Amino acid sequence: AQTVTQSQPEMSVQEAETVTLSCTYDTSESDYYLFWYKQPPSRQMILVIRQEAYKQQNATENRFSVNFQKAAKSFSLKISDSQLGDAAMYFCAYKDSNSGYALNFGKGTSLLVTP
Amino acid sequence: DAMVIQNPRYQVTQFGKPVTLSCSQTLNHNVMYWYQQKSSQAPKLLFHYYDKDFNNEADTPDNFQSRRPNTSFCFLDIRSPGLGDAAMYLCATSRDSAYGRNEQFFGPGTRLTVL
Repeated sequence: AQTVTQSQPEMSVQEAETVTLSCTYDTSESDYYLFWYKQPPSRQMILVIRQEAYKQQNATENRFSVNFQKAAKSFSLKISDSQLGDAAMYFCAYKDSNSGYALNFGKGTSLLVTP
Repeated sequence: DAMVIQNPRYQVTQFGKPVTLSCSQTLNHNVMYWYQQKSSQAPKLLFHYYDKDFNNEADTPDNFQSRRPNTSFCFLDIRSPGLGDAAMYLCATSRDSAYGRNEQFFGPGTRLTVL
């Protein structure tokens, strides 16, 4: 089974600064999808950004961007101009394009944003 | 707003007493999922429905069952909860696509306590 590793259990960033959350994954597949989900305290998980493995261009959504390194199996999330509302648990997730519907999640990184 | 609703948000049950968690969606998505998320761990897929087709993950205990009477509703039944079943249970939905790229939309979760 594919594994997703988030090596940073907790991260802290000051408001308006930039922070990068790390994620690596293990797969033998060439076609797959990668996601970053955000889970604020006591609120539902929402999708932040998605990357298709066949696309070389890094995905960007407003202040959120990824650094996708396919050969290194690395998928980091960069949050620019951090805001207090960015404080949450962030999960990296992997999905095969060909086998089933399961999302394989990492253990998450808890992001603290300080004023 | 279209959404995924889970009831109740908090559920307390006794060891061995059957419990049912419910999920409803207004998104009209044909795929519905149940995840178990234990403290400080990644969400783990228990099973999913593709329309009325039930798909159990290989390592989901027999103690967990599910029903989907119609497109909008899905239930998680725990026949004899043990202390190890205390967790957050997340319901999610997605619209089917040939390549599985569609994001999953999550409900806020039901936190189950087993006494």
